[in-house]
Amino acid sequence: GAGVSQSPSNKVTEKGKDVELRCDPISGHTALYWYRQSLGQGLEFLIYFQGNSAPDKSGLPSDRFSAERTGGSVSTLTIQRTQQEDSAVYLCASSLMAGVDEQFFGPGTRLTVL
Amino acid sequence: GDSVTQMEGPVTLSEEAFLTINCTYTATGYPSLFWYVQYPGEGLQLLLKATKADDKGSNKGFEATYRKETTSFHLEKGSVQVSDSAVYFCALPQGDDKIIFGKGTRLHILP
Repeated sequence: GAGVSQSPSNKVTEKGKDVELRCDPISGHTALYWYRQSLGQGLEFLIYFQGNSAPDKSGLPSDRFSAERTGGSVSTLTIQRTQQEDSAVYLCASSLMAGVDEQFFGPGTRLTVL
Repeated sequence: GDSVTQMEGPVTLSEEAFLTINCTYTATGYPSLFWYVQYPGEGLQLLLKATKADDKGSNKGFEATYRKETTSFHLEKGSVQVSDSAVYFCALPQGDDKIIFGKGTRLHILP
């Protein structure tokens, strides 16, 4: 079946603009996760959803970052007033339910802020 | 807090060489341990896992043994191939909401 998909695959934006990144999880997966992969920094956890709710938003780097999930499926990660330090690959993952070990990852969105 | 430390890369080997990528962890309790792999241009995928002490995870010729006494989960392969060139991440889950990843080790295999 289809895996996790993300769009766009690449996004180049100017500093100060807002961007919206989209994630389509595997059908039937109730848990959805966002991570950020920066050069030389490894993977940084941002936020997770169980259904439509996000119990813990403390991983988001600043209040410019927000995420939502509607209908228990698609999720969007929004970055307002982008800064150059936001440049990274943003990865989305899903799992059957929270607490299940294996997370399935999408290919990521590469964000470049000029 | 929980953490994962893995050897820095890049690691460059010739085809058919023996591979070890070291990984040690700090965790409360005895979580599952994972190795994820990211091939060029592809998303992260689970390579292998072990769910309890002394378990050995294996896949595609790779192995890793969960060593509680040394808090380690080193990745090994007896004979690497060019197609194994990728970035490898050691990882452990924390609660229900996230996986803690190491910084990744880039592996280059020369033909």
